[in-house]
Amino acid sequence: KAGVTQTPRYLIKTRGQQVTLSCSPISGHRSVSWYQQTPGQGLQFLFEYFSETQRNKGNFPGRFSGRQFSNSRSEMNVSTLELGDSALYLCASSFTPNEQFFGPGTRLTVL
Amino acid sequence: GENVEQHPSTLSVQEGDSAVIKCTYSDSASNYFPWYKQELGKRPQLIIDIRSNVGEKKDQRIAVTLNKTAKHFSLHITETQPEDSAVYFCAAIRGNQFYFGTGTSLTVIP
Repeated sequence: KAGVTQTPRYLIKTRGQQVTLSCSPISGHRSVSWYQQTPGQGLQFLFEYFSETQRNKGNFPGRFSGRQFSNSRSEMNVSTLELGDSALYLCASSFTPNEQFFGPGTRLTVL
Repeated sequence: GENVEQHPSTLSVQEGDSAVIKCTYSDSASNYFPWYKQELGKRPQLIIDIRSNVGEKKDQRIAVTLNKTAKHFSLHITETQPEDSAVYFCAAIRGNQFYFGTGTSLTVIP
């Protein structure tokens, strides 16, 4: 089976812009979670989607949003980018509420 | 919600020594505790896990222990090797939501 893929891998934006990141889960996985990873902050949970519905949400401002399509692919959107949004964004898919399989991440740099 | 604390944030050991990373959780409803390893520039990958009905689990040089009463669990790596150098994350799962610790950067000195 192909692993979790994320596009793009690298992204450079300026403050105030918006960005959309994409995640394709492992075939058959219906749950997709998104995390923000910054040095010293670990993996901070953004949200989780299951069968096109947001099932869980972390403590991030409303500028961060996401969605999931019928084929389980997911996108996350960040509007009005701030310098502090620079991070590695990881998505992870799972078949059961057990092991999560992570994608390679999208490195977002906000200038 | 659940709160997972992980210590230490950095750890350096000599090759061949043991390394121990500890995590605590707050919600007694959490029932699954995986550990992930993230090598530099790579994605996190599951290395071992333990369920709440088990006290200890071992897989070659790595082991995990769980104390449900005290709400803490630990990762033990014996006979460390340079390839064990990575960031390790613990997690507690309640229902279908993962709560990760802040990570431990382990350096194994040859």
